[in-house]
Amino acid sequence: EVQLVESGGGLVQPGGSLRLSCAASGFTFSNYWMSWVRQAPGKGLEWVANIIEGGSHKFHLDAVEGRFTISRDNAKNSLSLQMNSLRAEDTGVYYCARVGKHGYDLDYWGQGTLVTVSS
Amino acid sequence: DIQMTQSPSSLSASVGDRVTISCRASQTISSHLNWYQQKPGKAPNLLIYAASTLQSGVPSRFSGSGSGTDFTLSISSLQPEDFATYYCQQTSSFPQTFGQGTKVEMK
Repeated sequence: EVQLVESGGGLVQPGGSLRLSCAASGFTFSNYWMSWVRQAPGKGLEWVANIIEGGSHKFHLDAVEGRFTISRDNAKNSLSLQMNSLRAEDTGVYYCARVGKHGYDLDYWGQGTLVTVSS
Repeated sequence: DIQMTQSPSSLSASVGDRVTISCRASQTISSHLNWYQQKPGKAPNLLIYAASTLQSGVPSRFSGSGSGTDFTLSISSLQPEDFATYYCQQTSSFPQTFGQGTKVEMK
């Protein structure tokens, strides 16, 4: 059974940093692209970043480019999102998702971790 | 960036009704369109990928159609568990944008 479990969310002050993690199990992690998607309170979904199987290529939303970095450790079946210079508008639930094999569909999702940026 | 516009933003329907949700892309995306269902407090769930292919395990009352810029998600006979918010997502180019969502509520 595919499982994705996020951790690392919490309350942080504007300008602060946070590192989110996603533990993957139930599939060959190194064979899949992975993704982060966020959702502000009461709002819709927003794609944040993708990373290819080996980790050498990464894609980030312009609004987080230079502040957030997606990375992965295939030996540990782990996905991360390093978030620096956090802003109030970064507040929301952050989901880790597996990118399926049918053209970037997100076929499995974690339960999400809440990030709150506030003073 | 490609803008995705869903309509309506919300709708009221009854069990057994046929429901149709539209999604329009600001430029052509071929068939690079996915549909997700999200229930309150839960992660989204993939329903349809590549515009019209049903994800494994998803009931056959869900169907998707369209290509280019105009897409449709249909539910042939609404069931109680289908009251939720539905999102389209384009994966033709980065950033992979979502529609704003369509909330299906009980009439």
